[in-house]
Order: sequence, then structure tokens, then C-alpha cells
Amino acid sequence: EVQLVESGGGLVQPGGSLRLSCAASGFTFKRFWMHWVRQAPGKGLVWVSRVNDGRSTNYAESVKGRFTISRDNAKNTVYLQMNSLSAEDTAVYYCVSGYGAKFDYWGQGTLVTVSS
Amino acid sequence: EIVLTQSPGTLSLSPGDRATLSCRASQSVTSSDLAWYQQKPGQAPRLLIYGASSRATSIPDRFSGSGSGTDFTLTIARLEPEDFAVYYCQHYDTSPFYTFGQGTKVEIK
Repeated sequence: EVQLVESGGGLVQPGGSLRLSCAASGFTFKRFWMHWVRQAPGKGLVWVSRVNDGRSTNYAESVKGRFTISRDNAKNTVYLQMNSLSAEDTAVYYCVSGYGAKFDYWGQGTLVTVSS
Repeated sequence: EIVLTQSPGTLSLSPGDRATLSCRASQSVTSSDLAWYQQKPGQAPRLLIYGASSRATSIPDRFSGSGSGTDFTLTIARLEPEDFAVYYCQHYDTSPFYTFGQGTKVEIK
């Protein structure tokens, strides 16, 4: 059974940093692209970042230069380092595995709240 | 940048009804890059359809996807109580990579 378990969310002040982690199991982690997708309260889904199986990374324009995605294939874990956070970054952050155009499996999400 | 517009915003139907959800792209897209997701309250989204018309693993056959070019449709043949949820279409491109429609809520009438 595929499992993606996010951790690291919480309350952070504007301008602060947070590091999200996602532990994966139940599939050959190193072969899959890993993503972060977020959802602000009451809003729709927004793709944030991707790291492919070769460790190439991509970012949405809204987070480029502030967020860094990385993966540790030995630990079956993907990370999202988030810096210079603002209220607009408040959302549930989902860890997602997939390949190519689709998002196959989703974690349950971790809530990030940016507020003073 | 391709924009996905879903309609209607809300669909009020009864169990057993047929649901037809639309996703329109601002320019022609490759069908293989179009997917649909279901999200129930308090839950993560779930992949339903990929490649515009292929059902994901374990998805019941009452769900079907169709379309090409700029117009895509998700059809739920006979609504079951567990199908009342929000549905999103999603597209992949080389940039800006992944975009979602704004969602269609299917609610009980």
C-alpha cells in the first residue's frame, strides 16, 4: 500500500522559515517524481514544486527563489524548505507522487499557517 | 499559460442522476496531459482519470472521461452517495508545468 506521510507544518511568523518532510513507502520511491501541491483554506489546488527521478527541480513562479525541494532516496523522503513565508503561503501542503502528467498518490497533507 | 475553466461551479443533483462536468482549456492541449481528481471534505484529492479518458486504479466504471483539444468532460453515470465531492481537472505542460481548474462541486439536491 502506498503511503505518503507529511510532517513539519505549523504556525510560523511572516518572514520565517519551515521545513516540510514527506516519508514515502509502498512503492519504488527513487523511480517516481515527487511534488508538493498546496491548498489555501477554502480554495483550490495549486502545484508548488517538483523533483524528478533525476533530482531536477521545478517551481511555481509564486515560490521560486523562496522554496527548495529535495529528496533523499536512501530515506524515501522528500523535503520542502520554505523561506520568507508570507500570509499567502498559508495552506495545506500535500506531498504527491506521480510520473509525467498526473499525480498518482497524495498524502493527507500538513497545515502551514503564516501569521503573527 | 494555459488556463483551465471548469463549469458549472456547483452541480446540484440527486443520487442516481447523471453528472456531466466540463473542463475547458484556453488553448488546445494534448489529451494525454489531462487528468481529473476527486476531493471529499477534509480529505486529500484522489486521481480519477488520466490521459483524458483512462480510469485510475480502483476507480469504478461509472466514472468516465472524454474530450480533446480544448473541451474535456468528466461523466459520472449514476451518482452514488459517496460521489458528492469537488472535482478538479488538471493539465501538464512544459511550463508552468501543472495547472488545475477551479473545481466543480457536486452537491446533493
